[in-house]
Amino acid sequence: EADIYQTPRYLVIGTGKKITLECSQTMGHDKMYWYQQDPGMELHLIHYSYGVNSTEKGDLSSESTVSRIRTEHFPLTLESARPSHTSQYLCAAGQGGTEAFFGQGTRLTVV
Amino acid sequence: GENVEQHPSTLSVQEGDSAVIKCTYSDSASNYFPWYKQELGKRPQLIIDIRSNVGEKKDQRIAVTLNKTAKHFSLHITETQPEDSAVYFCAASGGSYIPTFGRGTSLIVHP
Repeated sequence: EADIYQTPRYLVIGTGKKITLECSQTMGHDKMYWYQQDPGMELHLIHYSYGVNSTEKGDLSSESTVSRIRTEHFPLTLESARPSHTSQYLCAAGQGGTEAFFGQGTRLTVV
Repeated sequence: GENVEQHPSTLSVQEGDSAVIKCTYSDSASNYFPWYKQELGKRPQLIIDIRSNVGEKKDQRIAVTLNKTAKHFSLHITETQPEDSAVYFCAASGGSYIPTFGRGTSLIVHP
């Protein structure tokens, strides 16, 4: 079934560790996005991509990086996790000018 | 860039009442306006959308209206039910294809 898959769903990690949040989609959509969201709160755009080899920073200042080597894969990396990074991270994909489809999210806790 | 304002931030109604959530946008080039519903612990999902060449769209108990001149659009839910309780997000997108979200409205429907 076409969907967006995020792994892990939950992650607890120590301060200073490097982590990568995985996002894969089987929908074939060009545009992909990463949002940071505290539960039930505002969606903050942190990175987006128009397609392969395209990555842009969003509105929210973030100490993370992304890559888009393949259409279906859009991982987000935190080089050095801090307690302020504790949040939920949502990956989304779309064709642009149409519905955005969201993954289930990764709940990150940095201790 | 685009700026989307959403009101109210919290809306409490009795079961059976109607609920209205309003959004305004700033970029006259925006032409696609989706509404997402996010239930507790779940991902945002599209419930209805409207394009700039249409003034109103209905789907059973929900409807969206768009006033391009005033740059505002609204979500209307009639005969609310407890399962309508969730956070609702409006969004706007245009030439950049990057959706800009409102801050969300927490709708509480009391039985």
